[in-house]
This record gives sequence, C-alpha cells and structure tokens, in this order.
Amino acid sequence: QVTLRESGPALVKPTQILTLTCTFSGFSLSTSGMCVSWIRQPPGKALEWLARIDWDDDKYYTTSLKTRLTISKGTSKNQVVLTMTNMDPVDTATYYCARERTGSIDYWGQGTLVTVSS
Amino acid sequence: QSVLTQPPSVSGAPGQRVTISCTGSSSNIGAGYDVHWYQQLPGAAPKLLIYGNSNRPSGVPDRFSGSKSGTSASLAITGLQAEDEADYYCQSSDNSVSGSRVFGGGTKLTVL
Repeated sequence: QVTLRESGPALVKPTQILTLTCTFSGFSLSTSGMCVSWIRQPPGKALEWLARIDWDDDKYYTTSLKTRLTISKGTSKNQVVLTMTNMDPVDTATYYCARERTGSIDYWGQGTLVTVSS
Repeated sequence: QSVLTQPPSVSGAPGQRVTISCTGSSSNIGAGYDVHWYQQLPGAAPKLLIYGNSNRPSGVPDRFSGSKSGTSASLAITGLQAEDEADYYCQSSDNSVSGSRVFGGGTKLTVL
C-alpha cells in the first residue's frame, strides 16, 4: 500500500525558508522509474507543479521558482525534502507530495496548508 | 496562467455526457507527451483518473475516457452522476524545460 504524508510548518513569516518533508511508504525511490514530485495549490486556484526528484537522483524544477527551490532525498531512505527560500504571502498554498511513474502522478499525499504571514 | 488551457467550467444533467478539453502546444502535448487527468473532489487531494492519454487506473469507472489528438486532449464523462461534481485537471510534460511537468488551469464540473 503506497502512502505519502507531508509535514512541515503551517505558518511561516515572509522572507523565511520553508522546509517540507515527504515521508512515504509502499515503494522505494531507488527503484528504476520511481519519482517524487511536489505540487502546490493556492486556495481556490489551480495545481502548480514545483519540483521532482528521480530514482537516479536527477532533479527538476519549475522555471519560475527554480532559484528558490531545492529538492533532495532525506536522511531516511523513505523521505524527500523540499526547501523554498524567501517565502512570500503569494506562496500561501496547500503543498502536496506525490509519487510519479512514467509521467503520471499515481499517488498523492493529503497535502499540508502553508500560510505565509507576519 | 497555466501552460495547458482548460475551460473554467462545464455542466450537465445527470445521465448526460460532458467533455473537458485540454489545449497545449508543440512543446508539450503536440510534442508527443502523454496527457493525464486528475479528479479533485471538494476538500480532497487530486486522484489519478486517466493516464497515458486513455488508460484508466484500476477502480475508475469506464464512464470516464480520455483521448488525445495533435496539440489537444479531451476527457469525456458519460452517464453523469452527482458524485462526479469536482474539479478536473489535465497534466503533461513540456520540453521547454527539461523534465518539467505542466498542469491545466482546471475545470469545475457542475452536475445540474
């Protein structure tokens, strides 16, 4: 059974760094073809793909946020970490981590709402 | 705005058929990348509905079908049910940025 769960602060101040952890089970990120992506959704708005890390440690980022994002494998083999620098109120959103295979996202976490406010 | 274009809303009566379009360009759908569709019920995480243009994951009713042609794709829902009321998103890849994924702006389906 594949599960993913996001964890991190619910509230961050402008200019701070956001660190989110995705803890997953039911698959191995070392398996060929496995990937973990981060996607966000501002309240009432559309999904936005942010970043992806592949089984071979290749990393990909959305162009608009590339300078602010870092995706990495966690210290535990079943974790992926996303950091976003210089947080702004427009970054307020629900952040999802998800498993991806062959381009489609087949399992999603429940999401974690991050509010950026002073 | 989103790289893939979807109508903001569609509606239909129970039992009817509706389609949702997803229009891209030569750098994404037109480049041959697969299109995938997701259903997001109110307050829930998205769920994979169609993958690889026209394939349904296990458990997805055959009332849902997908197709792709040129730079566009479509999701069709037949025998509309009240429980189908949700937001629907298309997703593909884009070669303007290596390895990137792109979503449509989402379509709100209302069952009348």
